[in-house]
Amino acid sequence: KAGVTQTPRYLIKTRGQQVTLSCSPISGHRSVSWYQQTPGQGLQFLFEYFSETQRNKGNFPGRFSGRQFSNSRSEMNVSTLELGDSALYLCASSLEWGADTQYFGPGTRLTVL
Amino acid sequence: QKEVEQNSGPLSVPEGAIASLNCTYSDRGSQSFFWYRQYSGKSPELIMFIYSNGDKEDGRFTAQLNKASQYVSLLIRDSQPSDSATYLCAGRDDKIIFGKGTRLHILP
Repeated sequence: KAGVTQTPRYLIKTRGQQVTLSCSPISGHRSVSWYQQTPGQGLQFLFEYFSETQRNKGNFPGRFSGRQFSNSRSEMNVSTLELGDSALYLCASSLEWGADTQYFGPGTRLTVL
Repeated sequence: QKEVEQNSGPLSVPEGAIASLNCTYSDRGSQSFFWYRQYSGKSPELIMFIYSNGDKEDGRFTAQLNKASQYVSLLIRDSQPSDSATYLCAGRDDKIIFGKGTRLHILP
């Protein structure tokens, strides 16, 4: 069974631009969570989607948004990029909303110049 | 502010010894606790989760939870060089909160 896939793997943007990241969960998994990982703040929860609905949200500004499609694939968008948005963005999939076992994708490394 | 605290390390343990990783959490509402392992340049992978007080064993790994003390630990028996990684502790009530991780180095 294929794992979680994320595209693109690497991205370089400049301040003020926006970016869209994509995540395809493991086949049959219906919940997708997004995380930001930085050396200073560690791994921080962004949001969780299940059945095309955002079920939970972390403490990030409104510039961070996401959505989930009917096939469970998910995208997250960051608008008006700031230097501090440079991070590894990880997507994790699980069978159901709130499931204990989640599987992380390889991540998208975003660099904001 | 809900927090999960871990010693950043590095924690150096001789091969074959027991590695003990500790974590404290501030949110008494947390119901589930997790240990993830993350190798350098890789994604986190779940080692185990625990939600009842006491011990939970899985192979060489034992998770321990003490809700009264708001304390979670992970013991790795017979440590191997391949266990060298960063270990992330996490707690969840409505949302999951991760600690910043403890770097573990197993000395051959």
